[in-house]
Amino acid sequence: EADIYQTPRYLVIGTGKKITLECSQTMGHDKMYWYQQDPGMELHLIHYSYGVNSTEKGDLSSESTVSRIRTEHFPLTLESARPSHTSQYLCASSGTGGNTGELFFGEGSRLTVL
Amino acid sequence: QQQVKQSPQSLIVQKGGISIINCAYENTAFDYFPWYQQFPGKGPALLIAIRPDVSEKKEGRFTISFNKSAKQFSLHIMDSQPGDSATYFCAASRKFAGANNLFFGTGTRLTVIP
Repeated sequence: EADIYQTPRYLVIGTGKKITLECSQTMGHDKMYWYQQDPGMELHLIHYSYGVNSTEKGDLSSESTVSRIRTEHFPLTLESARPSHTSQYLCASSGTGGNTGELFFGEGSRLTVL
Repeated sequence: QQQVKQSPQSLIVQKGGISIINCAYENTAFDYFPWYQQFPGKGPALLIAIRPDVSEKKEGRFTISFNKSAKQFSLHIMDSQPGDSATYFCAASRKFAGANNLFFGTGTRLTVIP
């Protein structure tokens, strides 16, 4: 069982609110990721990090921002949520050794913006 | 541009039948091909993976078949069970110094009918 945790699991908020989705992992992994998952299943990489103080934008443009101040923590923030931000957000991490494609995912944060 | 193409989008199989999901890729630099399984309300989890130096890998009822010359790989689920009902993602990755080196297919929603 992967040790990666996301909170909140579900969030319903009004337009214009600021939200932060939390993600923590206890595996000491350097690399962390945020994916946005459409209702139709597809996974889109929106942010990733190589390690502390490293953040990069992914393949899908997103108005969210991330920070990586500690190895284990990779929060995602939306300064002003809109209905178009309604989605499931999945956090993941991977180590430096072993398989290059093995990601450990959290259970996701399902965001609904009214 | 979709780096990994996956089909079918959805699949319905009778209990005890064989489920087959296909994926294709173009980039010959890919060197690791994992499959992820995602149950409703959960994050994806690594199911089985293969490297291009072998043509087949079997783990229990799950088998990956890999055709390097055709740049295709597939997941076979033998004796499919209702508990296998989930969304399956193929993926491909390459050795790369960065973190964003895993490309997912668009997913297949499998339903196994009792």
